[in-house]
Amino acid sequence: KAGVTQTPRYLIKTRGQQVTLSCSPISGHRSVSWYQQTPGQGLQFLFEYFSETQRNKGNFPGRFSGRQFSNSRSEMNVSTLELGDSALYLCASSTISGGYNEQFFGPGTRLTVL
Amino acid sequence: ELKVEQNPLFLSMQEGKNYTIYCNYSTTSDRLYWYRQDPGKSLESLFVLLSNGAVKQEGRLMASLDTKARLSTLHITAAVHDLSATYFCAVDIDNNNDMRFGAGTRLTVKP
Repeated sequence: KAGVTQTPRYLIKTRGQQVTLSCSPISGHRSVSWYQQTPGQGLQFLFEYFSETQRNKGNFPGRFSGRQFSNSRSEMNVSTLELGDSALYLCASSTISGGYNEQFFGPGTRLTVL
Repeated sequence: ELKVEQNPLFLSMQEGKNYTIYCNYSTTSDRLYWYRQDPGKSLESLFVLLSNGAVKQEGRLMASLDTKARLSTLHITAAVHDLSATYFCAVDIDNNNDMRFGAGTRLTVKP
């Protein structure tokens, strides 16, 4: 079974630009969550989508947005990039199994903002 | 606000030694996850702990959960170099995939 895939793996942008990251979940998984990982703040929850609906959102500004398509693939968009947005962005997919959600993480997209 | 605290944040061990990583959290939750991350890599799921008193073991790693104390431990037995990585615990708020992670414990096992 193929794992979670994320594209692109690496991205370099300049301040003020916008960026779109993509995540394809494991086949059959309907939930996709996004996280930002930085050395200073650690792993922080961005948002979670299930069946094309955002169910949960972390404490990030409105510049961070996302969506999910009918095939469960998800995209994350960051507008008006700031230097502090440089991070590893991870997505995770999950399905309810045994009454809990075990998340499987993709390889991440490393975003550098210059 | 939910806090998930891990300690220690850095751990340097000799091969063959035992040690424990602690994860305290500030909300009522009976779902606790442990992940491993190698440098430059993504997170790999190690353990899922679903109830008070849950204990799971895989190789040299054993995880346990005490929901009353809001404490999980990851015990390392007879450490080997291959265990060098960063270990994260995470709490699932309300079982809705809103996962809050600890800061991570960077483990280095020296020969």
